[in-house]
Amino acid sequence: AQSVTQLDSQVPVFEEAPVELRCNYSSSVSVYLFWYVQYPNQGLQLLLKYLSGSTLVKGINGFEAEFNKSQTSFHLRKPSVHISDTAEYFCAVSNVQGAQKLVFGQGTRLTINP
Amino acid sequence: EAGVAQSPRYKIIEKRQSVAFWCNPISGHATLYWYQQILGQGPKLLIQFQNNGVVDDSQLPKDRFSAERLKGVDSTLKIQPAKLEDSAVYLCASSLSSGVYNEQFFGPGTRLTVL
Repeated sequence: AQSVTQLDSQVPVFEEAPVELRCNYSSSVSVYLFWYVQYPNQGLQLLLKYLSGSTLVKGINGFEAEFNKSQTSFHLRKPSVHISDTAEYFCAVSNVQGAQKLVFGQGTRLTINP
Repeated sequence: EAGVAQSPRYKIIEKRQSVAFWCNPISGHATLYWYQQILGQGPKLLIQFQNNGVVDDSQLPKDRFSAERLKGVDSTLKIQPAKLEDSAVYLCASSLSSGVYNEQFFGPGTRLTVL
């Protein structure tokens, strides 16, 4: 079974500063990795995903993440954040073989201060 | 295109009462998911449908939760009777087909409060 740990429950940053949201996963098999964003009172929206190929994945809204197999991590980064990036961010994992069910981390609340 | 629709958006009930949530997926999407998101946690898959058949309901508390997708389009999730620990946001999602290569699109959710 897979599990995901998001190391920070809350991350406050100032506008235009860089940010990194940390995600580590545990799995005995090969996995796919995802980041979702949830704006207030809205459903989840896919930011980016790693399925294969380059370990540096670029997503929407200027976000990117790097898959590090040796460290079992998939940290999310953005070089300069905006007020509109205030949201909850969820890391998720799915096994490659068999039932490809998404397992989510507990989420990181990103708060952007002016 | 229209997104995933859910109703109601909010529901408050007392424990031991019954409640039902409705989901209309994106047109043409064969796969439909129901997730439970408890405050402070990530979403947890309750049940997955492929057309009108159940693919995975391993985490659905079947003694009190039930779900159906009779015509392979919209779906209903029911809780009977509700417990305090059922307070959560219930998210519906849909995708063209199963498997993670098909992006899941989420609805806004139904926030359930059980008193």
